[in-house]
Amino acid sequence: DAGVIQSPRHEVTEMGQEVTLRCKPISGHNSLFWYRQTMMRGLELLIYFNNNVPIDDSGMPEDRFSAKMPNASFSTLKIQPSEPRDSAVYFCASSYLYGAFFGQGTRLTVV
Amino acid sequence: DQQVKQNSPSLSVQEGRISILNCDYTNSMFDYFLWYKKYPAEGPTFLISISSIKDKNEDGRFTVFLNKSAKHLSLHIVPSQPGDSAVYFCAALPAGSARQLTFGSGTQLTVLP
Repeated sequence: DAGVIQSPRHEVTEMGQEVTLRCKPISGHNSLFWYRQTMMRGLELLIYFNNNVPIDDSGMPEDRFSAKMPNASFSTLKIQPSEPRDSAVYFCASSYLYGAFFGQGTRLTVV
Repeated sequence: DQQVKQNSPSLSVQEGRISILNCDYTNSMFDYFLWYKKYPAEGPTFLISISSIKDKNEDGRFTVFLNKSAKHLSLHIVPSQPGDSAVYFCAALPAGSARQLTFGSGTQLTVLP
């Protein structure tokens, strides 16, 4: 298994632009998580899907952020419009029962 | 409100000595705890875990201790090696169906040769 696959690895965009981050979870895993890592806050849970259904999105910072999971093998995290304070590393993780396996992350820079 | 806290942002240890990383939690619903290791430019990788029914779990050089009454867990690395230098995250899972991980803020471990 290739593990959790995220794309792109790096994204540089201008303020105000739409950004879409993509994630392919490990096959057979029924939970998917989006995390954001910053120096100030460490790893923050943004949203959690179980069986493709959003269970907890209380960590999504504001309406500019949205996430979808149209099927068991794909999820997106969209930021529209993006702002410089959104610059961070965004991780996707998937799990079946305990713990989680992480992708390599997308480093987002909004200038 | 941080439910999982790692109060030491950094720790330096000499090669061959013991590294002790600490973690405190506040939510009594947590029943499973994990440690992740993260190298720069990579995602966190699972290291070791412990269920709340145990107070110790050992895997090679890594041992995790859980003190439920104090809501405290620690990760011991013996002996420490330079390749252990990374950020270590403590994470916790609540009992029940909501299995989302809550992470601490991480501790940067540096093992000096």
